[in-house]
Amino acid sequence: RKEVEQDPGPFNVPEGATVAFNCTYSNSASQSFFWYRQDCRKEPKLLMSVYSSGNEDGRFTAQLNRASQYISLLIRDSKLSDSATYLCVVNANDYKLSFGAGTTVTVRA
Amino acid sequence: GAVVSQHPSWVICKSGTSVKIECRSLDFQATTMFWYRQFPKQSLMLMATSNEGSKATYEQGVEKDKFLINHASLTLSTLTVTSAHPEDSSFYICSASYLAGRTYEQYFGPGTRLTVT
Repeated sequence: RKEVEQDPGPFNVPEGATVAFNCTYSNSASQSFFWYRQDCRKEPKLLMSVYSSGNEDGRFTAQLNRASQYISLLIRDSKLSDSATYLCVVNANDYKLSFGAGTTVTVRA
Repeated sequence: GAVVSQHPSWVICKSGTSVKIECRSLDFQATTMFWYRQFPKQSLMLMATSNEGSKATYEQGVEKDKFLINHASLTLSTLTVTSAHPEDSSFYICSASYLAGRTYEQYFGPGTRLTVT
């Protein structure tokens, strides 16, 4: 079983729509959780850390469910520029990260 | 956020040659840097963890004699792909660990696209 699993999508949504997707992780000892964004042929960029109580950053909301070992990301009022691959990232110690394969989101005009 | 640079951004080389990739943390000191490889439509795969002043720790299945890592200073790590072959063609990305508050966040370099002909 992979350490981090994500629905690859793609999620095709119109501008202004809300899109949400999850990832699951297998290591119950995982301590830190992140969402990264990766554009085609570019490096991943940190979108947001995910905290136990859930957190929001503008149009992006992240939730963590430790009991069920999943993390979610919700994007409100989608923009064309939100089109990207979103990587779910988990680590069980301070250093090493485990990456999901990514969820592709395409926002259309 | 923290800035990590990587050089070169792309390289094409002939089979059998060696390629050196540099990773630098520009505005912070990174005791730990990481090297990843990513094939098309796949997730990043950690190759090795590089610690300043000590030997790198390689992930299972990664040949340490083929992928030489040197972390000579707190801001520079290098990856050398020795005797490159076409199957080594990939997107190589480094990252550096940065303590942000109570969490270690990783910031990535822009990646190096290696094509071996």
